[in-house]
Amino acid sequence: EVQVLESGGGLVQPGGSLRLSCAGSGFTFSGHGMSWVRQAPGKGLEWVSSISGSGESTYYADSAKGRFTISRDNSRTTVYLQMNSLRAEDTAVYYCAKVWFYDDGRISWFDPWGQGTLVTVSS
Amino acid sequence: EIVLTQSPATLSLSPGERATLSCRASQSVSSYLAWYQQKPGQAPRLLIYGTSNRATGIPARFSGSGSGTDFTLTISSLEPEDFAVYYCQQHSNWPLTFGGGTKVEIK
Repeated sequence: EVQVLESGGGLVQPGGSLRLSCAGSGFTFSGHGMSWVRQAPGKGLEWVSSISGSGESTYYADSAKGRFTISRDNSRTTVYLQMNSLRAEDTAVYYCAKVWFYDDGRISWFDPWGQGTLVTVSS
Repeated sequence: EIVLTQSPATLSLSPGERATLSCRASQSVSSYLAWYQQKPGQAPRLLIYGTSNRATGIPARFSGSGSGTDFTLTISSLEPEDFAVYYCQQHSNWPLTFGGGTKVEIK
């Protein structure tokens, strides 16, 4: 069964840092891209970042550029989201999802999604 | 950035009724559109990809149609478990974007 499982969420003060992890299983991890999508309390879905299977290509939403870094360790079948300079508006459930990349650089839909990990930025 | 506008925001229907959800893009996304279902406290689940292809395990009462800028998700006959929030998402252009969601609630 294809699964992704997030961890690493928690309470952090404004300006602080946090690293989220997402472990994949049941598929050829290095052959697939991975993405992070977040959902603020009571709000809709917002794409945050994506990374190719090799890790060579990374993409960020404007809200994440310069503060968040996506990376992966294919030997551990894990993708990470390093979040720095956190703000109250970063408070959300962060989901990890499997994707794949077309030859033209486009990305696929998100499937499957993990259960999410809650990040709360508050003093 | 491609803006996706979903309508209506809320759809109040009874079990057995037909649900028609709309997603309009600010510019063409070709057929690179997906639909997700989200129930309270749960992660989103892929329903439809490539505008009209049902994901694995999705019942045939769910169907997608459209192209370019106008897309529709249809639930032919609502089952009790279908009452949820539905999101469309385009993966044609960066940044990837989602619609604001349509809540299908029990009338």
